[in-house]
Amino acid sequence: SYVLTQPPSVSVAPGETASITCGGNNIGSKSVHWYQQTPGQAPLLVMYYDTNRPSGIPERFSGSNSGNTATLTISRVEAGDEADYYCQVWHTGDYVLFGGGTKLTVL
Amino acid sequence: QVQLVQSGAEVRKPGSSVKVSCKASGYPFSSYGISWVRQAPGQGLEWMGEVISITSSANYAQRYKDRVTITADEYTNTAYMELSSLRSEDTAVYYCARGPLGGNSMIYCDSWGQGTLVTVSS
Repeated sequence: SYVLTQPPSVSVAPGETASITCGGNNIGSKSVHWYQQTPGQAPLLVMYYDTNRPSGIPERFSGSNSGNTATLTISRVEAGDEADYYCQVWHTGDYVLFGGGTKLTVL
Repeated sequence: QVQLVQSGAEVRKPGSSVKVSCKASGYPFSSYGISWVRQAPGQGLEWMGEVISITSSANYAQRYKDRVTITADEYTNTAYMELSSLRSEDTAVYYCARGPLGGNSMIYCDSWGQGTLVTVSS
């Protein structure tokens, strides 16, 4: 089955840019979706179809997807962005498939 | 607005079953799928399966297909997830989530329920 690989953790200072990667075999040929989850809360969709932000998600959030890596980029990081982030794809046989998650720490 | 309201926390003994509900409102229920995603304590998100009510079909993750049944009632706009042969490792928060359809499956999850804690303990 298909595997999505995320780094367990990413740390960034406030105001800097955070890049959270999601690796998969030829993931650039798939559509990638991203979720943010803060402790005790349900996940929140923050990016869909690689580069689309749902209503209410700040423009500081952007996405890209090419080759074997998809990336969620958060510019001008704020303390409130500290959360776990999950990538997700749809794959034949696996259907909805999540990456292992990345904990974003704002220093 | 879109709302998914799940049933309350459950405690079950090993070997028993649990059925969790998810009542949807604020959108045409049959036009979207409903997935169930679980999260064990301190762990990541794991997709279990989905129901596509417009086609009356369900798809399951391979590791759960023998133990989980996901259904939907279009009259009450409610989806259900029943998990059988419970073991301690099934202790988790179970989420329902709505999502747009591509073919006969959900593509992603754009709205989530609040989660239901299921505790399996003797």
